[in-house]
Amino acid sequence: QSVLTQPPSVSAAPGQKVTISCSGSSSNIGNNYVSWYQQLPGTAPKLLIYENNKRPSGIPDRFSGSKSGTSATLGITGLQTGDEADYYCGTWDSSLSAGVFGGGTQLTVL
Amino acid sequence: EVQLVESGGGLVKPGGSLRLSCAASGFTFSSYSMNWVRQAPGKGLEWVSSISSSSSYIYYADSVKGRFTISRDNAKNSLYLQMNSLRAEDTAVYYCARQSHSSSSVDYWGQGTLVTVSS
Repeated sequence: QSVLTQPPSVSAAPGQKVTISCSGSSSNIGNNYVSWYQQLPGTAPKLLIYENNKRPSGIPDRFSGSKSGTSATLGITGLQTGDEADYYCGTWDSSLSAGVFGGGTQLTVL
Repeated sequence: EVQLVESGGGLVKPGGSLRLSCAASGFTFSSYSMNWVRQAPGKGLEWVSSISSSSSYIYYADSVKGRFTISRDNAKNSLYLQMNSLRAEDTAVYYCARQSHSSSSVDYWGQGTLVTVSS
């Protein structure tokens, strides 16, 4: 059971928009920055979003992040088949003194 | 270019030990906190341990506390994970991961090394 809760899967058609939620508590999301990672099949994860809503260099603006209270959301617009991957949210938990990840969400672009 | 290259994975029997290494290049290793993150086959990411730039602060997941030891050698640009009393549930790909300066996010990941604990 992950400390952060994500939906196991989401799907949408090419060109459409999808959102992935990440729910936590005051000890993690509520008081720390949230990051989002993309893991394509058979590869290492890659940073998509850091500090709740910032994109590293090279990440297209189709990817966006937001945070409200103890929840965070990853948004992906203009879906492409190449976006099919597992997506993870992550943050620090101040009570556990540990890093925590969500269970991951598998995105299918139909 | 930032590079993180893990090594030391392999097959080990339950109760055995293994030492993972991560060779870092392309950045000032001594300025960054580092992490180990693992992923069991077909499962999600699990944070294992982190160490600050000067080794002053070290943290472990409860699942490995007392069995795993993280360390680093800034002179050799290397990160280590000593794993003792290994269990079947420790079977996973272990990633070496650099922590960004500004937050707890991991901005670079290695390609991972597979650890299999089986008799």
